[in-house]
Amino acid sequence: SQTIHQWPATLVQPVGSPLSLECTVEGTSNPNLYWYRQAAGRGLQLLFYSVGIGQISSEVPQNLSASRPQDRQFILSSKKLLLSDSGFYLCAWSTGPKQETQYFGPGTRLLVL
Amino acid sequence: GENVEQHPSTLSVQEGDSAVIKCTYSDSASNYFPWYKQELGKRPQLIIDIRSNVGEKKDQRIAVTLNKTAKHFSLHITETQPEDSAVYFCAASRGFQKLVFGTGTRLLVSP
Repeated sequence: SQTIHQWPATLVQPVGSPLSLECTVEGTSNPNLYWYRQAAGRGLQLLFYSVGIGQISSEVPQNLSASRPQDRQFILSSKKLLLSDSGFYLCAWSTGPKQETQYFGPGTRLLVL
Repeated sequence: GENVEQHPSTLSVQEGDSAVIKCTYSDSASNYFPWYKQELGKRPQLIIDIRSNVGEKKDQRIAVTLNKTAKHFSLHITETQPEDSAVYFCAASRGFQKLVFGTGTRLLVSP
């Protein structure tokens, strides 16, 4: 069965520091991968999605970037964090004939101070 | 692009009552409509979904209805229990496309 991992689970970073969040999926090949951000008490904002290695689509202009160096690995990065980058970062995957249904990872809670 | 509106933002019911959450979408080409439940501090989890070739789908105490003409779909929870308390998100997509989520409904079920 498929499993999705995210790490770290929790992160506290100072403003201006770099960021790297990792997401990996097991048990499937060539998944679509997504990064979402959820501010406290708010909805889900799609940040990036990827349909294959090296293919990244950005949904919202910001100081974040994403990369997909391997088929089942998705990385979210920033060179300099802002206070507004705080939130719950969720990775998701989809696969199958229609690739519609998305399944979420456990998330990374980021606090920028 | 697609826009999904969700109501109400907060819903309080007594245990055993029914709860209904409604969503409207703007893109008539959308054909896939999932619902997610998110407990406090946890990831959203898919609880039920429906495709545009179906008008209603049930899974035990949960049902979803779809009205393509009016472009709205609803989540129905019967015999609510305290463990149903969570935030519920609806979403829509055109298939092979990204999901567009509603803003969420906080459901509180009081014993």
